[in-house]
Amino acid sequence: KAGVTQTPRYLIKTRGQQVTLSCSPISGHRSVSWYQQTPGQGLQFLFEYFSETQRNKGNFPGRFSGRQFSNSRSEMNVSTLELGDSALYLCASSAWTGTANEKLFFGSGTQLSVL
Amino acid sequence: AQSVTQLDSQVPVFEEAPVELRCNYSSSVSVYLFWYVQYPNQGLQLLLKYLSGSTLVESINGFEAEFNKSQTSFHLRKPSVHISDTAEYFCAVRYGGSQGNLIFGKGTKLSVKP
Repeated sequence: KAGVTQTPRYLIKTRGQQVTLSCSPISGHRSVSWYQQTPGQGLQFLFEYFSETQRNKGNFPGRFSGRQFSNSRSEMNVSTLELGDSALYLCASSAWTGTANEKLFFGSGTQLSVL
Repeated sequence: AQSVTQLDSQVPVFEEAPVELRCNYSSSVSVYLFWYVQYPNQGLQLLLKYLSGSTLVESINGFEAEFNKSQTSFHLRKPSVHISDTAEYFCAVRYGGSQGNLIFGKGTKLSVKP
């Protein structure tokens, strides 16, 4: 099986712009979650989707949004970019079926730099 | 607030020495506990997990972690480390059962020296 695929790998934007990141989960996985990784804050949970519905949401401002499509692919959007949004954005998928007995499979991430 | 604390940001050790990476969480109410590892230039991968049952869980490469409810800890240990164990280790906790958010600690960089 192919792993979790995130595109693009690298992205450079300027303040005020918006950006869309894409994540294709492992085939058959219906749960997709997003994390922001920075050296100072580590991994911070953004949101989680299951079957096109947002299941959980972290403590990020409304500029961060996401969605999931019927084929389980997910996109994350950040509007009005700020310098502090520079980070590695990780996507993870799992075969979550309603219990916590899930294993997250992570993609390689999208490195976003905001200038 | 729900949180996960990894007390050491960096742990340098010599090869074949024992190591303990510490992890504490903020509440014992219905938690599921995980350790993830990120090897250099690789993505995060699950190392081990505690959901219920025996409080001691083991990974296939010799790591173990013990769920200690009274101390709200889930420390990761290995009796003898190898150079190949050099990586960043993340403790993660899902609070509130299977519906809760998965909260990660800030990570501990384990550096194994010859």
